[in-house]
Amino acid sequence: DQQVKQNSPSLSVQEGRISILNCDYTNSMFDYFLWYKKYPAEGPTFLISISSIKDKNEDGRFTVFLNKSAKHLSLHIVPSQPGDSAVYFCAASAVGNQFYFGTGTSLTVIP
Amino acid sequence: DAGVIQSPRHEVTEMGQEVTLRCKPISGHNSLFWYRQTMMRGLELLIYFNNNVPIDDSGMPEDRFSAKMPNASFSTLKIQPSEPRDSAVYFCASSPRMGGRETQYFGPGTRLLVL
Repeated sequence: DQQVKQNSPSLSVQEGRISILNCDYTNSMFDYFLWYKKYPAEGPTFLISISSIKDKNEDGRFTVFLNKSAKHLSLHIVPSQPGDSAVYFCAASAVGNQFYFGTGTSLTVIP
Repeated sequence: DAGVIQSPRHEVTEMGQEVTLRCKPISGHNSLFWYRQTMMRGLELLIYFNNNVPIDDSGMPEDRFSAKMPNASFSTLKIQPSEPRDSAVYFCASSPRMGGRETQYFGPGTRLLVL
């Protein structure tokens, strides 16, 4: 069963607006989370991470929020740019364990 | 750095044929992962190696799948016999070590189509 879920297969946003991508997980032992970005015909590339000791991590236009009680994390992109159009995967792991990935959300930023 | 190298990039084969996917991890990385991407299940971990030793192959779908890592710079994923439901994109990834929080670096993937 999927331990990491991305319930929105796709999202469209106007350039300059905020993109919010969501991810839910079921395993309370997960304590480290990452977001990967994937362009067509390429492998996923690391975007941003967050440890469970934090509830927010920011890197430029990208911010990840973690709500441990809700087992939910989200990726905010502000402002969104056409080059952000890609598939975004969230991933989670417990200590010393493998990463579990979601099914991905395809983001389209409309110029 | 060339990054993770996978070959072939595309493979079209007929049901029942043997398929071999190849991966060269980033030099110096001690952990290697094979993933399969499908629309329904996203990125699924098939197997991972630490220092060339298979650690967990519980994600391998069935006995038709096998993976080897004969040395630190090469790994193969073999499907024999292949079936149409094996059609997917297969990614290889490597990381400096397992158990830590190091990022995994993915190759470009092999798109497999089994007719």
